Amino acid sequence: DTEVTQTPKHLVMGMTNKKSLKCEQHMGHRAMYWYKQKAKKPPELMFVYSYEKLSINESVPSRFSPECPNSSLLNLHLHALQPEDSALYLCASSGGTSGIQYFGPGTRLTVT
Amino acid sequence: KQEVTQIPAALSVPEGENLVLNCSFTDSAIYNLQWFRQDPGKGLTSLLLIQSSQREQTSGRLNASLDKSSGRSTLYIAASQPGDSATYLCAVRPWTGGFKTIFGAGTRLFVKA
Repeated sequence: DTEVTQTPKHLVMGMTNKKSLKCEQHMGHRAMYWYKQKAKKPPELMFVYSYEKLSINESVPSRFSPECPNSSLLNLHLHALQPEDSALYLCASSGGTSGIQYFGPGTRLTVT
Repeated sequence: KQEVTQIPAALSVPEGENLVLNCSFTDSAIYNLQWFRQDPGKGLTSLLLIQSSQREQTSGRLNASLDKSSGRSTLYIAASQPGDSATYLCAVRPWTGGFKTIFGAGTRLFVKA
């Protein structure tokens, strides 16, 4: 099973709301990633967790707060977002010697 | 700073043609290079991954090559089909920088029936 799942598929939120995106994998991967992708642009790395510890934070604004509760789950907590944060948010995981990254289907976020 | 470039940005071919997509990177110190496919509004599907020590990988009608010294990778698609229409992205993981991954802007492929 090489599946990464993400919920919800779509999310519309106001600028004062607090919401969370969830990601789950059961491949035993110990690295998990959050990417942001704007229309017709490549994914941009936001955060990487390795063995449940934050490994990379690409200078992402504090209104995005990642969390890795265990080796299978990755959350992205959202608060006080701006309309320009509207994008497709992709989760990925990788593991083993190959380092292949497997992506989830994404959450389409719209900030109004 | 590693930069990844993909040429062409868009490509339209008739069904059945063999085609080559190009990816170039500026720093040859890479850990691996991965090719992905993305359908509109969807997540990324891994196609092939080439480790730093490898020259090529094959899967079905797809063949990816890697030439680190020249900073280039190619994705060869044989006998293209309309179902191959998608955006193809290459991504480089630098040797240093942990799990950092840098994507090219992609090539949008349209295969006409």
